[in-house]
Amino acid sequence: RKEVEQDPGPFNVPEGATVAFNCTYSNSASQSFFWYRQDCRKEPKLLMSVYSSGNEDGRFTAQLNRASQYISLLIRDSKLSDSATYLCVVNMFGNYGQNFVFGPGTRLSVLP
Amino acid sequence: EAQVTQNPRYLITVTGKKLTVTCSQNMNHEYMSWYRQDPGLGLRQIYYSMNVEVTDKGDVPEGYKVSRKEKRNFPLILESPSPNQTSLYFCASSSGPRDSTDTQYFGPGTRLTVL
Repeated sequence: RKEVEQDPGPFNVPEGATVAFNCTYSNSASQSFFWYRQDCRKEPKLLMSVYSSGNEDGRFTAQLNRASQYISLLIRDSKLSDSATYLCVVNMFGNYGQNFVFGPGTRLSVLP
Repeated sequence: EAQVTQNPRYLITVTGKKLTVTCSQNMNHEYMSWYRQDPGLGLRQIYYSMNVEVTDKGDVPEGYKVSRKEKRNFPLILESPSPNQTSLYFCASSSGPRDSTDTQYFGPGTRLTVL
């Protein structure tokens, strides 16, 4: 079983749609969680951190369920500019410190 | 401006010709790492460094070397590149190995082709 798994995608949605991405992680001792966005052939960029209480940033909402080892990202009112690959990242912090583990990513295409 | 820089951004080389990809960060970060990204395989960690003179293998270290003589620099060395090392490489840094809430900042990437 992979340490971090994501919806395989791709997701093709019309502008204005709401889309949700799911991510599961295997290490119950994981400390912190993030969603990154990666445009084609560019570096990953932090979209948002994910907190236990859930957090929202404009059209983006992230949720964490530690009991189920599950993270989600909801994008409302999709824009063409949201087209990218979304990476779930888990810091499986251990005895030796940080250990960032990346999911394989889910590709989103927002269509006009 | 806080950033991670990599050079070169693009490189085409031939099998066996030693090369170095440089990485530098200006955020005084302790933790630095190298990843390669290949279609269908996602980001895989090659090497990481928790501080100056402290480096360790990631998931795919074979064929690579690194050094960390200064805090800001973390070069990736391919002593004898082979075609299977053709990939997109990213350097990343974060504030410190003991910060469980920190995240990573990435350089712009180096696209390497080994013929």
